[in-house]
Amino acid sequence: AQKVTQAQTEISVVEKEDVTLDCVYETRDTTYYLFWYKQPPSGELVFLIRRNSFDEQNEISGRYSWNFQKSTSSFNFTITASQVVDSAVYFCALSERVWFSGGYNKLIFGAGTRLAVHP
Amino acid sequence: DARVTQTPRHKVTEMGQEVTMRCQPILGHNTVFWYRQTMMQGLELLAYFRNRAPLDDSGMPKDRFSAEMPDATLATLKIQPSEPRDSAVYFCASGLLTETSGANVLTFGAGSRLTVL
Repeated sequence: AQKVTQAQTEISVVEKEDVTLDCVYETRDTTYYLFWYKQPPSGELVFLIRRNSFDEQNEISGRYSWNFQKSTSSFNFTITASQVVDSAVYFCALSERVWFSGGYNKLIFGAGTRLAVHP
Repeated sequence: DARVTQTPRHKVTEMGQEVTMRCQPILGHNTVFWYRQTMMQGLELLAYFRNRAPLDDSGMPKDRFSAEMPDATLATLKIQPSEPRDSAVYFCASGLLTETSGANVLTFGAGSRLTVL
């Protein structure tokens, strides 16, 4: 079965520190998608990135970077020079292909990592 | 920015009462998902619609939950009768699925926090 593991329940850092959030996944699909979503204290889930299984290039967007390693089934997320506004719960998710009902991709979420950035 | 709108944001009710949560997906999106978030279970998929048709509700307790899309601008999730274990945050999300989009990016609403006493 598809599974996403975010082993770090909570991380606490001081502003300007770099922090890496780990995500390990399990899937039998050969084509799949990985996502990161952010849930700030206001509650909504905000999309950060989508990566498909054929694209192993790492990605950088400002202070955010993602390291996708198929060999270790990991899709880690690093925030460089963290800021207080980065405090949130971060979810890693994996698409699971559902073959009935015309087929669709269902998101399987990890348990989330709560990041607290202190001034 | 286009948003998914959910109402109510907060609802406190007593066990046995009917609860209806509403969602306005982003105009033009053809898929709608209902997720439930609890501390114990995390984020779980309850129902999925494509072009207003309910295609997967296997995650939903059938005896008390129902989900519908009466039109393209409204999705509803109803619980009747509600129970304390239904207390959770319910999220609606919408996305645009095309032939080549693969797993589409979902835009989530702010959630409806339900407390059943």
